[in-house]
Amino acid sequence: DAKTTQPNSMESNEEEPVHLPCNHSTISGTDYIHWYRQLPSQGPEYVIHGLTSNVNNRMASLAIAEDRKSSTLILHRATLRDAAVYYCILPSGTYKYIFGTGTRLKVLA
Amino acid sequence: GAGVSQTPSNKVTEKGKYVELRCDPISGHTALYWYRQSLGQGPEFLIYFQGTGAADDSGLPNDRFFAVRPEGSVSTLKIQRTERGDSAVYLCASSLTADRVRETQYFGPGTRLLVL
Repeated sequence: DAKTTQPNSMESNEEEPVHLPCNHSTISGTDYIHWYRQLPSQGPEYVIHGLTSNVNNRMASLAIAEDRKSSTLILHRATLRDAAVYYCILPSGTYKYIFGTGTRLKVLA
Repeated sequence: GAGVSQTPSNKVTEKGKYVELRCDPISGHTALYWYRQSLGQGPEFLIYFQGTGAADDSGLPNDRFFAVRPEGSVSTLKIQRTERGDSAVYLCASSLTADRVRETQYFGPGTRLLVL
């Protein structure tokens, strides 16, 4: 199973952009990169996913390195509501999510 | 619209007792997943259902754990002879299909199980 590596924690000031990195050097050619986040006392929620090209949605952007061995989740303007644990996941098999410990994002007012 | 719901939200039990945790997936979702999350850790896969059948139960820690989904909708995770180490948040997720490329998994809020 492809493994991901993320920093344990990061801090950001409110209204500033946040770049959350993820390394996945053993990624295979068909693995999509998924990002989820987990707010306190809630289940994980989908943020974004991509394969090779950079992706944008209303929540975030995903920048994928050309060799696909790393990716970066970009929150363009962090708010206090974005404080959460962010998980970078490469689905194992056809359905199984292998979560690491994720990055705990703290947003400072 | 209704998301994934789980009941109870909290469950306190004594060591050795039997517990059942319920998951109501999003209507029409054929795939259902159970995960377990210990404090400070990411969720850990337990079992996956496609329809009524358990397609993969490789994450169940031992034979005290069992899950069913008899009509392909609601699922129940059953834990026999509970141990203190079973204390965790049990998360349920569902997706329209099990296609990892296209399908997002939608998670419920979890059931917090505390075994005294």
